[in-house]
Amino acid sequence: DAKTTQPNSMESNEEEPVHLPCNHSTISGTDYIHWYRQLPSQGPEYVIHGLTSNVNNRMASLAIAEDRKSSTLILHRATLRDAAVYYCIGRNNNDMRFGAGTRLTVKP
Amino acid sequence: DSGVTQTPKHLITATGQRVTLRCSPRSGDLSVYWYQQSLDQGLQFLIQYYNGEERAKGNILERFSAQQFPDLHSELNLSSLELGDSALYFCASSVGGGSVSDTQYFGPGTRLTVL
Repeated sequence: DAKTTQPNSMESNEEEPVHLPCNHSTISGTDYIHWYRQLPSQGPEYVIHGLTSNVNNRMASLAIAEDRKSSTLILHRATLRDAAVYYCIGRNNNDMRFGAGTRLTVKP
Repeated sequence: DSGVTQTPKHLITATGQRVTLRCSPRSGDLSVYWYQQSLDQGLQFLIQYYNGEERAKGNILERFSAQQFPDLHSELNLSSLELGDSALYFCASSVGGGSVSDTQYFGPGTRLTVL
């Protein structure tokens, strides 16, 4: 998997948008970008994934830079339930290699 | 609820012992993955099985082994346990054999404590 770099932590206010960045400058053309999150005391949970185009689903949006060297996970309105560790993975393999992720704190 | 079940939820045992962790994938999923999460190492991929056969191997110790049965449930066997094996063990499943666009669904984990 491509090496990814994420900030260790970020803070957001409830009901405001959150932009979680990820750098993956060594990504290859066929690597998919996956985002998972892990809520406290739970297993990781799939959020979204994409290859080149921006993607939207009911949980979030994924904006992928034109050169694919970075991406941003967008939570449109953060809730307290979104407080979690968010993992960005540049995937070219069967398995997934999780980094340290970004710990998101949501303040009421 | 991801549809992936793991038993037991908690396991406490002593050094040198052997334990078995069990995972049932989501209905229809053919792949099972095992991950270990410890405080100092983060979430690490151990091994993948697809339709009964080993498909990919990660940082799995020789003291650890896994298998996937005909009904697609999987077991992770940990032997000669050491204090450092204390961790959360997660199982995940996916429909396919693990292509780069596959989504993995994780279970709630088994917390192993080795005393």
